[in-house]
Amino acid sequence: AQSVTQLDSHVSVSEGTPVLLRCNYSSSYSPSLFWYVQHPNKGLQLLLKYTSAATLVKGINGFEAEFKKSETSFHLTKPSAHMSDAAEYFCVVILSGNTGKLIFGQGTTLQVKP
Amino acid sequence: DGGITQSPKYLFRKEGQNVTLSCEQNLNHDAMYWYRQDPGQGLRLIYYSQIVNDFQKGDIAEGYSVSREKKESFPLTVTSAQKNPTAFYLCASATLTGVETQYFGPGTRLLVL
Repeated sequence: AQSVTQLDSHVSVSEGTPVLLRCNYSSSYSPSLFWYVQHPNKGLQLLLKYTSAATLVKGINGFEAEFKKSETSFHLTKPSAHMSDAAEYFCVVILSGNTGKLIFGQGTTLQVKP
Repeated sequence: DGGITQSPKYLFRKEGQNVTLSCEQNLNHDAMYWYRQDPGQGLRLIYYSQIVNDFQKGDIAEGYSVSREKKESFPLTVTSAQKNPTAFYLCASATLTGVETQYFGPGTRLLVL
């Protein structure tokens, strides 16, 4: 079975410092992985996706994630946090086949302090 | 403006009452999805549809029903059989060739009176 585990439910950083949101996955084959972001009381937006091309994936708003098969990880990073980055972030894996069934992690709330 | 709309933004349900959440998209997407979000949990799939007049159960379909009479519309009914309906409900859509990239609506928050 495929699943993702987000290792931190809450991360707090100061503005201008690096961001690291951790995600481990479990899959019997090479997965397609995603990060989605949800700003307060809003719908979700795709941040970036990995689909077996380059292992370092760049997304919107300066975020990137690196797929590491040896560590079964897909951590999300950003060099310098901005106040507008405060949101909830979800690591997601998609089930095989073409149904579009997404499996979400529990979410990580990112707090950015001034 | 293309996108997904959900209404209402807030919905209150009384005991024993069925309520229907609306989801409309003008993106010409074939696939549509309903998710439930609870605090501290990720989203869980309720139902999905990839073609008009056809839909499939997700992981937590009990107590919910859907219809897909039009490509643009995928309403979700929360029935009285759903004993814990208080949650944030999100609708999404995607193309059949790009199901991994789903576009989400703003959500409906359902509260029980």
